[in-house]
Amino acid sequence: DADVTQTPRNRITKTGKRIMLECSQTKGHDRMYWYRQDPGLGLRLIYYSFDVKDINKGEISDGYSVSRQAQAKFSLSLESAIPNQTALYFCATSDPADRGDGYTFGSGTRLTVV
Amino acid sequence: QKEVEQNSGPLSVPEGAIASLNCTYSDRVSQSFFWYRQYSGKSPELIMSIYSNGDKEDGRFTAQLNKASQYVSLLIRDSQPSDSATYLCAVNIRDSSYKLIFGSGTRLLVRP
Repeated sequence: DADVTQTPRNRITKTGKRIMLECSQTKGHDRMYWYRQDPGLGLRLIYYSFDVKDINKGEISDGYSVSRQAQAKFSLSLESAIPNQTALYFCATSDPADRGDGYTFGSGTRLTVV
Repeated sequence: QKEVEQNSGPLSVPEGAIASLNCTYSDRVSQSFFWYRQYSGKSPELIMSIYSNGDKEDGRFTAQLNKASQYVSLLIRDSQPSDSATYLCAVNIRDSSYKLIFGSGTRLLVRP
């Protein structure tokens, strides 16, 4: 099994719908992140969480919300999806005690909003 | 000014050549630097990390860090077609928070 699992892998949804992307990890890391990737723009941070009670906005949090249900689970919600939220979404984890590892990424969720 | 900047490329090199990828960053207190490789549609994969000025070698890869000039580079020796991918530079802007800021990536094409 993958260390960081994202579901679904692909999703097509309609404008205005609420959608949730899920992330679970077996790394035992406290820190979890949600990024989106658009062509030519690299990875941009949406939200991050350093433990179950800690949630922080990233650089592009508008239109998104998150929930940290447990150390191992971090979900991203689009309350009312819009076409410009079409992107590749990645969840990642990190352990600050192990600087050499950087981030561990999930396989990504390709979201299309029509 | 972007916090982490990379030339988008594509950088095209012949098979067997050295590929040189560069990255500059704006935050002088950055402590940790990473290079990720990303194949199209796939997740980023960590290939190198570097924390101190100088060179760090791992197989065909060498990371170079110059904190005074605020740049980090990645050299790929004996480039192979399988090295064709986008390479992302990532910088820990504030060490205490351990958030990585990514550059937009450089696309590398290795011609057979």
